[in-house]
Amino acid sequence: GAVVSQHPSWVICKSGTSVKIECRSLDFQATTMFWYRQFPKQSLMLMATSNEGSKATYEQGVEKDKFLINHASLTLSTLTVTSAHPEDSSFYICSARVTSGRMQYFGPGTRLTVL
Amino acid sequence: DAKTTQPNSMESNEEEPVHLPCNHSTISGTDYIHWYRQLPSQGPEYVIHGLTSNVNNRMASLAIAEDRKSSTLILHRATLRDAAVYYCILSRSGAGSYQLTFGKGTKLSVIP
Repeated sequence: GAVVSQHPSWVICKSGTSVKIECRSLDFQATTMFWYRQFPKQSLMLMATSNEGSKATYEQGVEKDKFLINHASLTLSTLTVTSAHPEDSSFYICSARVTSGRMQYFGPGTRLTVL
Repeated sequence: DAKTTQPNSMESNEEEPVHLPCNHSTISGTDYIHWYRQLPSQGPEYVIHGLTSNVNNRMASLAIAEDRKSSTLILHRATLRDAAVYYCILSRSGAGSYQLTFGKGTKLSVIP
């Protein structure tokens, strides 16, 4: 099946710093990529939908100035958590939708810990 | 958005079939039914999806009720690797985005 990678797989940072997470579709082109957040023992929560070459659409309650999303190519989307705080510690997961299909393929996730 | 209802947890013995139910009584005519599963500390994995007819693939089968208000994911022979949280999701298509809204899912335990 289609492969989606994320980098880094885990990151620990100090409060107030910014962290960038990359999401790549390795063997297919993805017009649309999605970013999710998952807290311990909870389900995935959609943060934003990212379409290549246009601005991301954020879900209600997600601060677009804090979670910057860039989708500059058909195989790469990035999520930058700006001025991270301990409450931003979470498991961040991206997914990519095959341009011609309905399935989403998910990355392995990035564990962010903010001290 | 149309919502789904799943049991919080289920158990199965290894090498036996597993039937995971999902209720979606407010499904609309254009909603697809998707199943994903998630192992601990991993991203979700696509399992299967369908619209009206039953579907089979190498991983599982999807049985959709005639009125589409419920569906069942069938794992024909559970293995320890199938222990995961299974999510039944109705796709929401808006401007072609096909967003997925995850519920709490069913945690499947497989007993050796």
